[in-house]
Amino acid sequence: TQLLEQSPQFLSIQEGENLTVYCNSSSVFSSLQWYRQEPGEGPVLLVTVVTGGEVKKLKRLTFQFGDARKDSSLHITAAQPGDTGLYLCAGAGKSNYQLIWGAGTKLIIKP
Amino acid sequence: NAGVTQTPKFQVLKTGQSMTLQCAQDMNHEYMSWYRQDPGMGLRLIHYSVGAGITDQGEVPNGYNVSRSTTEDFPLRLLSAAPSQTSVYFCASSYSQRISGNTIYFGEGSWLTVV
Repeated sequence: TQLLEQSPQFLSIQEGENLTVYCNSSSVFSSLQWYRQEPGEGPVLLVTVVTGGEVKKLKRLTFQFGDARKDSSLHITAAQPGDTGLYLCAGAGKSNYQLIWGAGTKLIIKP
Repeated sequence: NAGVTQTPKFQVLKTGQSMTLQCAQDMNHEYMSWYRQDPGMGLRLIHYSVGAGITDQGEVPNGYNVSRSTTEDFPLRLLSAAPSQTSVYFCASSYSQRISGNTIYFGEGSWLTVV
């Protein structure tokens, strides 16, 4: 059974600080996605990483896929209150047809 | 653009009652799915459909039924509600079942409490 562990489960920091959240597994994924979910809303796709070692940037957010395609990280530079939300990672297995979801990191950015 | 629309937003059911969560998408997507989200757990797939007339079970299908009579609609039926079905339910759609190269669009969720 493939599992995705996200850490930390909860993070509360001040505006302007940097942070990194992690998504780890013992399994290899063909691709990995990051989503942000705001209270009362559904998840919204931020990025998909496919190649081992791949780095993608989305404004102040930097996503990295591990070389072995078993883990990923999300780094936020100079966090803002608008970054507050639940960050979910989801990995696609070999079949590329089903996603395995992590439980999420709840991020609060205090003004 | 409406995207994926779910109704109702909130519902309280008594144990044993049945109900249907409605889901509609206006993007002409072939693939639709239902997930449940529980605290401390990842999203879990209940049922999915790769096109009109075709449905299949996901990870946690027991106690739920689905049908797909049109491309647009994918209702989820709770047959006899149990407290263990208290959860937030999300409907999602995408162009195809393939993950890479596709964007999955989620509805806003339906909060269900079974007492």
